[in-house]
Amino acid sequence: EVQLVESGGALIQPGGSLRLSCAASGFTVSSHYMAWVRQAPGQGLESVSVIHSDGSTYYADSLTDRFTISRDNSKNTVYLQMNSLRAEDTAVYFCARIWSYGGNRNFDYWGQGTLVTVSS
Amino acid sequence: QTVVTQEPSFSVSPGGTVTLTCGLSSGSVSTSYYPSWYQQTPGQAPRTLIYSTTTRFSGVPDRFSGSLLGNKAALTIAGAQADDESDYYCVLYMGGGIWVFGGGTKLTVL
Repeated sequence: EVQLVESGGALIQPGGSLRLSCAASGFTVSSHYMAWVRQAPGQGLESVSVIHSDGSTYYADSLTDRFTISRDNSKNTVYLQMNSLRAEDTAVYFCARIWSYGGNRNFDYWGQGTLVTVSS
Repeated sequence: QTVVTQEPSFSVSPGGTVTLTCGLSSGSVSTSYYPSWYQQTPGQAPRTLIYSTTTRFSGVPDRFSGSLLGNKAALTIAGAQADDESDYYCVLYMGGGIWVFGGGTKLTVL
């Protein structure tokens, strides 16, 4: 069974740093694209970052300099390092697997999310 | 910058049929964008409904179907039920590892 479990969300002051984790089970993260998607309070979903199976990475505009996605194959875990956090980064952060086999390009499994609140 | 457009809100009567659409601020949606649809209720994670335009994800009832309608992708819900009341998001793949979400449609069943 595919499962994604996020952790690391917290209340953090503006300018602070936080690392989110996404522990996967039931599949191997290094064989798939993996994504972080966020949702600000009362707002829609926004793609934050993707790490490809080949290790290359993508970031939403304006986040490239502050966020870093990575993975630890030995722990089957994906991370999102967030630096210089701002109030507008306040959101629930979801981890999702992207299904790219058989000519597909879609999110399929999602974690339950972890809440990041940036406030003084 | 490409914007993926969706109706902000829609309503349907119980038992009725509703079609939600997903377009582009510039251009037409085609299968090359691998349109996918997700359902989300408040406080919950998104649930995958449809991918690659028309394919239902595992466990999704056949009341949900995907298609292309004109220059947009579409999600049709037939026989609407109370628990279909949710937010629905479409996502388009832009290539180069970039996925863009639409703003979502809030569906009311009443």
